[in-house]
Amino acid sequence: AQKVTQAQTEISVVEKEDVTLDCVYETRDTTYYLFWYKQPPSGELVFLIRRNSFDEQNEISGRYSWNFQKSTSSFNFTITASQVVDSAVYFCALSEAQGGSEKLVFGKGTKLTVNP
Amino acid sequence: AAGVIQSPRHLIKEKRETATLKCYPIPRHDTVYWYQQGPGQDPQFLISFYEKMQSDKGSIPDRFSAQQFSDYHSELNMSSLELGDSALYFCASSSGASGRESDTQYFGPGTRLTVL
Repeated sequence: AQKVTQAQTEISVVEKEDVTLDCVYETRDTTYYLFWYKQPPSGELVFLIRRNSFDEQNEISGRYSWNFQKSTSSFNFTITASQVVDSAVYFCALSEAQGGSEKLVFGKGTKLTVNP
Repeated sequence: AAGVIQSPRHLIKEKRETATLKCYPIPRHDTVYWYQQGPGQDPQFLISFYEKMQSDKGSIPDRFSAQQFSDYHSELNMSSLELGDSALYFCASSSGASGRESDTQYFGPGTRLTVL
């Protein structure tokens, strides 16, 4: 069965600090997809990144970077020089390509508060 | 770029009433997913459709039903509403399909249902 664990329930930082959000996943499939979504206080779910299981290359997009390590089943998300606008709940999610089901299984989310 | 449209954005119902939530996917997306997010919870998968056929089913109560129409929009019908049905209901769309490479799910803004 698929499972996503985000051990950090809440994180609070001061603006300009770097912060890493942890995500650990479990799956029996060899092909799967990992995602990060951002949910600001307004409530919508904003797609941030998608990573295929066969692509372990780390990715950087502006102040955001992602570290995917299959050996530890982790897909961590780092925000560099955090800003108040980064305050949100961040969800890590997993979907499996095999078996015909592509539903997303979400972690419990990490609430990030960036204080000025 | 066009996004997923959900209507209504807010809905207030009494117990035992019925509700219909609508979802209009991103143009050319053929797959629709429904998720339920309770207060302080992560989104939970309810049901999905590909090319107007149900492709997967999650923890959706028997009181709920859904379908996808020929224009790819989808409706979630909820009957005999209970207080516990109060939640944020998300629709997501993608251009992937069961059995093929998973594509990114883009979420609508959600419908906030309150059952009194």
